[in-house]
Amino acid sequence: GDSVTQMEGPVTLSEEAFLTINCTYTATGYPSLFWYVQYPGEGLQLLLKATKADDKGSNKGFEATYRKETTSFHLEKGSVQVSDSAVYFCALRADRGSTLGRLYFGRGTQLTVWP
Amino acid sequence: NAGVTQTPKFQVLKTGQSMTLQCAQDMNHEYMSWYRQDPGMGLRLIHYSVGAGITDQGEVPNGYNVSRSTTEDFPLRLLSAAPSQTSVYFCASSYSPGRYQETQYFGPGTRLLVL
Repeated sequence: GDSVTQMEGPVTLSEEAFLTINCTYTATGYPSLFWYVQYPGEGLQLLLKATKADDKGSNKGFEATYRKETTSFHLEKGSVQVSDSAVYFCALRADRGSTLGRLYFGRGTQLTVWP
Repeated sequence: NAGVTQTPKFQVLKTGQSMTLQCAQDMNHEYMSWYRQDPGMGLRLIHYSVGAGITDQGEVPNGYNVSRSTTEDFPLRLLSAAPSQTSVYFCASSYSPGRYQETQYFGPGTRLLVL
């Protein structure tokens, strides 16, 4: 079945450091891929998405490229800020069959950025 | 638009009690779903609905009931609360699961503690 494997956390970085959070997926067909962010005490917010192979999603300095050949959707940011401290979830949305539209989440990666 | 709203924000129950978690959206979304979030587990789908009068089970439906009498509301009922249902519950909605570009919007969550 469809699934997402996400880099285990927690990740602790200094401000302005480079961030990578790895995400790989297993799916039939051509799912859409997402990164969601959860700030402390809040619900999930969509950070970025990509709907087909080689698409790059970007938002707030974060980027991720949909790589079908490696079934990956790694999240990157060149220079993190303290305000980026949050939990990040990789997710895929099934695009066919009985699970059409269902989101499958990774376990989440806690990021803490120190000043 | 208020987006997706959830009530209550916090709830403490005793084992065996029943309660209903409320979810409403004002975006005329067809697709609504309930997730639970547990540490190290990511988000897991409990139940979902593709429109008024239509509901289906997700990954972890046991102990929960849902109904969808209107487009706007999708309540989640705990029939007889158990400590294993201690979790954070999120409601989400999107216009339609079939739309290629669609994004799910999440509510702020309900924290439930079952003693």
